Formats: sequence, structure tokens, C-alpha cells
Amino acid sequence: QKEVEQDPGPLSVPEGAIVSLNCTYSNSAFQYFMWYRQYSRKGPELLMYTYSSGNKEDGRFTAQVDKSSKYISLFIRDSQPSDSATYLCAMSVDNYGQNFVFGPGTRLSVLP
Amino acid sequence: GAGVSQTPSNKVTEKGKYVELRCDPISGHTALYWYRQSLGQGPEFLIYFQGTGAADDSGLPNDRFFAVRPEGSVSTLKIQRTERGDSAVYLCASSLTDRKTDTQYFGPGTRLTVL
Repeated sequence: QKEVEQDPGPLSVPEGAIVSLNCTYSNSAFQYFMWYRQYSRKGPELLMYTYSSGNKEDGRFTAQVDKSSKYISLFIRDSQPSDSATYLCAMSVDNYGQNFVFGPGTRLSVLP
Repeated sequence: GAGVSQTPSNKVTEKGKYVELRCDPISGHTALYWYRQSLGQGPEFLIYFQGTGAADDSGLPNDRFFAVRPEGSVSTLKIQRTERGDSAVYLCASSLTDRKTDTQYFGPGTRLTVL
């Protein structure tokens, strides 16, 4: 079993839809959770960062962490064609030292 | 300057050759990270520097891989005796410090192809 798993997609949705992207993980010690967006042939860019459990909202994006289920989610409201990209989750045990473990990514296509 | 830059953008080499990949981080960023990303996978951590020293090199797959950052700015990832399995996109990222809550800014990557 991989340490961090994501549905690879591709996930295709119509413009304006609510998108739900998810990751599951096996290491209960993870505390820092990130979501990155990666456009084709570009480096990842940070979207959201969450510490421990709970929700965090930033514009059209909401990140949720459920540590009891070892499950994190990213919701995108009013999705736009410009949201079409690969979404990567990443997580870390602590704020220093051990580095991020990335999921394999989910490809999202938002159709106009 | 702008963001993190990496050169070359593409590198094609033959099995057994030596390659060097360069990363120019954002000015003032003390932490610099190298990752490797294979097709359809997320970035895989290789090594990171805090200043000039390698703070964690646990992700380097074997002793053919080596990285330096002699002046605490530019970094070079060196791969000896390249193998076809080394083909991937090599990503560099920098952040203000090595706290994980400091945003890591990624470069566009170097696409390495070993024939």
C-alpha cells in the first residue's frame, strides 16, 4: 500500500460544477497537509495548507482534513476551465525535518 | 528576480553518461529542495539544503546521485552513469526557511531523458 493515495482520474466536470478531490493516507503521524495545483509542463504551486484536522476556506477552495479517517479533501466551487490541471496532495509529519510525501495526483478537466 | 529557474529545460543523454542539472532559487531563500517526478506520479523528495549544507539527503536513490550548493544559492544536481530508469522531470523548489509551513516555490523542472 502506498503511503498516500489519490484517484488518478481524469475527472471531467462541466464549468460551474463543484469538484471534490480526495486523498487517503496510511501514516497517522501526518499533521501538515497541503494541496498543490500543477499545470502541464509546469512545477506545482501551493493552493492550500492545513494543520491537523478541520476545514480551511480560501475563495472558491475549501480544504478538509479528517485525521480519524486518514482522509483529506479539496473542494472547488464554481469550477472554471482555468482550474483544469493535476491536483496533488502532500503531507508531512512535522514542521521541520522529514519532508513532504506527495500523492500521485488527480487530473481534472473543467469543460466550458 | 522572478521565480525559481532551472536549466536546461530538457536534457537528452545516453546511458552511462554524466549529467548536471542546475537550479537558481528565489533570492533570499535559504532552503532549496530537489524532487523527481515520473510520469503520472507526484514529486518524490530527493534532497534538501538549508544554506550550504545538505540537511536531509535521505531521498537520493543511490550513490550515483549527488547535489551541491556551495554558496547557499545556486544548486547543482549531478547524476553519474545515468540509467534509463533515471528518466523523469527533476524539480527544484525553494522556500524562505525550511519550515514546512513556508511555501515552497517550484521551478518548471528539467526533463531528463536517458536513451
